[in-house]
Amino acid sequence: GIQVEQSPPDLILQEGANSTLRCNFSDSVNNLQWFHQNPWGQLINLFYIPSGTKQNGRLSATTVATERYSLLYISSSQTTDSGVYFCAVEDYSWGKLQFGAGTQVVVTP
Amino acid sequence: NAGVTQTPKFQVLKTGQSMTLQCAQDMNHEYMSWYRQDPGMGLRLIHYSVGAGITDQGEVPNGYNVSRSTTEDFPLRLLSAAPSQTSVYFCASSYGGLAGNEQYFGPGTRLTVT
Repeated sequence: GIQVEQSPPDLILQEGANSTLRCNFSDSVNNLQWFHQNPWGQLINLFYIPSGTKQNGRLSATTVATERYSLLYISSSQTTDSGVYFCAVEDYSWGKLQFGAGTQVVVTP
Repeated sequence: NAGVTQTPKFQVLKTGQSMTLQCAQDMNHEYMSWYRQDPGMGLRLIHYSVGAGITDQGEVPNGYNVSRSTTEDFPLRLLSAAPSQTSVYFCASSYGGLAGNEQYFGPGTRLTVT
């Protein structure tokens, strides 16, 4: 099946800093989604982004499907941005979502 | 809308016991799925359903059963609990019958098997 790799595995940021999270995938995909899991465990869909760029407040995401990667940008980070960020892809052959292992983000005051 | 709901939030089982994790959604989503989350491994798909009466296996189906008699409900049954099934379980749904459409997750069930 398709391999999904996220980097870095861990990230510590000071409040106000910017950061970039990366998701690489090993084959062509139908769709790609970014999720945030907050410290209480709730998973929230951030972006549904099979290609192109989207922005939502301080977060934005870009997927370059032809080069098999997606980037999630966090600008002016806040402590509420802490948690784990997952990307998930739907591959053509399997038709199901495959998750990466996630990036653990800690934003300190 | 309540979205995706799961019960119970926490459960402790003894090895060999059986139980059912409940999942319901009120968004009329056709696609529903169950994942388990273990430390450092992301989420892995257990079973999924593309509509009432249709279910299929995911990546890690052994030890679990599902059924989908209505669009709203998708229970997950543990047949004979084992310590390896200690995990956090998430139910998710999306519109249409596609996994790749925007997924909505329930709050999770934390299961411990002793």
